[in-house]
Amino acid sequence: DVKVTQSSRYLVKRTGEKVFLECVQDMDHENMFWYRQDPGLGLRLIYFSYDVKMKEKGDIPEGYSVSREKKERFSLILESASTNQTSMYLCASSPGQGGLGAFFGQGTRLTVV
Amino acid sequence: DQQVKQNSPSLSVQEGRISILNCDYTNSMFDYFLWYKKYPAEGPTFLISISSIKDKNEDGRFTVFLNKSAKHLSLHIVPSQPGDSAVYFCAASARVSGGADGLTFGKGTHLIIQP
Repeated sequence: DVKVTQSSRYLVKRTGEKVFLECVQDMDHENMFWYRQDPGLGLRLIYFSYDVKMKEKGDIPEGYSVSREKKERFSLILESASTNQTSMYLCASSPGQGGLGAFFGQGTRLTVV
Repeated sequence: DQQVKQNSPSLSVQEGRISILNCDYTNSMFDYFLWYKKYPAEGPTFLISISSIKDKNEDGRFTVFLNKSAKHLSLHIVPSQPGDSAVYFCAASARVSGGADGLTFGKGTHLIIQP
């Protein structure tokens, strides 16, 4: 059974903290993605990676960075958390180009207070 | 500029009837379309997809129709069941661009199946 696992289901962090969201996939997929989901806005792409140590900005990269040191792991970093980063964060991986066949993790609900 | 639009934030349908969810897109480079279903506090799960070379794809109770000239696709669920109550996201991909550009999602439609 394919799996994309996000390290936390729920997180509460303080404004200004550095926050790490971890994602691991066991499908040997080349491509990994970070999205955030907000009511009325759908899913928006933050960053993606098509290979180890490679990263590309998505539609809303401001305030975020990523790290992909190993093929199976893709980390999202909030350098200095702010309240407008309170959201549901979703990690996905896919074997194909264009995000085809993407599998999603269960999501991390992050609240910044 | 929203490239994938789901203009109905919510839709209420009686159990057993047909649910029709609509999606419009503006980017002519999109060549593959997908529907995802999402329950609260869970990640989206893939439902059904269609390539731009087709106009219909069917999988059990789910059928997706694509009208390229109108840049419109729709998801039909027949018959609707209580477990279908969820948020449905339309997504599009431009495979021709290559690379790993992520899917472009619509804002979602909350489908509510009433008993």
